[in-house]
Order: sequence, then C-alpha cells, then structure tokens
Amino acid sequence: GNSVTQMEGPVTLSEEAFLTINCTYTATGYPSLFWYVQYPGEGLQLLLKATKADDKGSNKGFEATYRKETTSFHLEKGSVQVSDSAVYFCALRPSSASKIIFGSGTRLSIRP
Amino acid sequence: GAVVSQHPSRVICKSGTSVKIECRSLDFQATTMFWYRQFPKKSLMLMATSNEGSKATYEQGVEKDKFLINHASLTLSTLTVTSAHPEDSSFYICSARRGPDRVNTGELFFGEGSRLTVL
Repeated sequence: GNSVTQMEGPVTLSEEAFLTINCTYTATGYPSLFWYVQYPGEGLQLLLKATKADDKGSNKGFEATYRKETTSFHLEKGSVQVSDSAVYFCALRPSSASKIIFGSGTRLSIRP
Repeated sequence: GAVVSQHPSRVICKSGTSVKIECRSLDFQATTMFWYRQFPKKSLMLMATSNEGSKATYEQGVEKDKFLINHASLTLSTLTVTSAHPEDSSFYICSARRGPDRVNTGELFFGEGSRLTVL
C-alpha cells in the first residue's frame, strides 16, 4: 500500500542552523510528493511539492528533491529562523487517486 | 489564497450525543472535500472523501454509520459524529480541493481543524 514515513520529532535547532527532515515513502506508480506546514493555531498549508522524479520543490528557503531511487523526499533549509517553528508533514498523492496520505508530522522548534 | 473554514473549532459534548462539524470553502467551489482525523503525535488519518451530490467514499476501518458525511453543496461538507463516545475525542480536519481546471491545479486547502472532546 501507500505510506509515508518521516523522522520523529521534536527537532530543536538554533537559529541559522541547517535543517533536514527525512521523509521516505512507499507507493506504486508515480506519486506526487508534498510537504505541508502547520504553524501554531493555524491549518495546514502547502509548503512545496514535486510531481515527478528528480523534480525539486522549493518555497520560503525550503527545498526537497523527489528521489525515486531512494523513495525519499527530504526537506532541507540552509538557515532556519524562529518563525519556521511549526509541525511539518510529508505527504504523497498516489498517481491514480485524488486523496493525500500524510506522514506522522515532525515538530520543529527553533531557539533564538 | 483560498480559504477553508471549519466550525466549530472546539466542541465538548456528552457521551451519546451527536456532533456536527462544518467545512466551508469560502472563496471557491470544491467538488471534492476530504475529512481527516489527527491523533496525538500521529499522522493525519484520511477518513473519507466527500463528493458533492454523491455518497462519501470511506476509508477502510472507518464506520460510515458513525461518521456521517454530507456534501450538499459545492462549498459545504459536514461531518456528524453520531452517538459520540470518549474514544471519538480527536482533532478533525477537513480539506477542500480547488480544481483542477484551466486555472487551478487541484491543490488542497485545509481548515483549521475542530477539536472534539467527548465526556
């Protein structure tokens, strides 16, 4: 079946540190991959996406590359800010469906 | 950006009662909406896909008679938790799909969630 596995949190970093949140997936065919972010007190928002192998999604300094050979879609940011503190969800949409399947979420806290 | 609103954001009810949660797409029409349940420290679990004008499609293991979903218009879907019990206490999140059409790519927009507490 289809599933998403992401690193457990919480992740605590100092401001300006490098961030990596690992995400791997299991799916048949060619799913689309997503990172969603949930800021405190708000709903989920799409952060970035990639729809085919080797695509790189990017937004707000975050990047993730669709790696089919390793079935991964790791989220990275070179220099995090306090305002990046949130819960990050990796997700996939199977190629033949409209529904989205989420990972367990990773809580990120950034210290000033 | 597109806005999806859920109401109520918090609800406390007694065991055995029914609770209705509304999900509205405020500035676009959504033929498809999705209902998720979020457990503490767990992922969002897809409960059902709600299609305007037709019956909802439930995921395996989700009781359709327990969680009634109605998508009566292109901007409103409701989730009714019937005869609620304490184990139904959770965070329920809806999302609405905008498009795809000539302009939109079918991106999902999420509500802020509704926390249900059953005493």
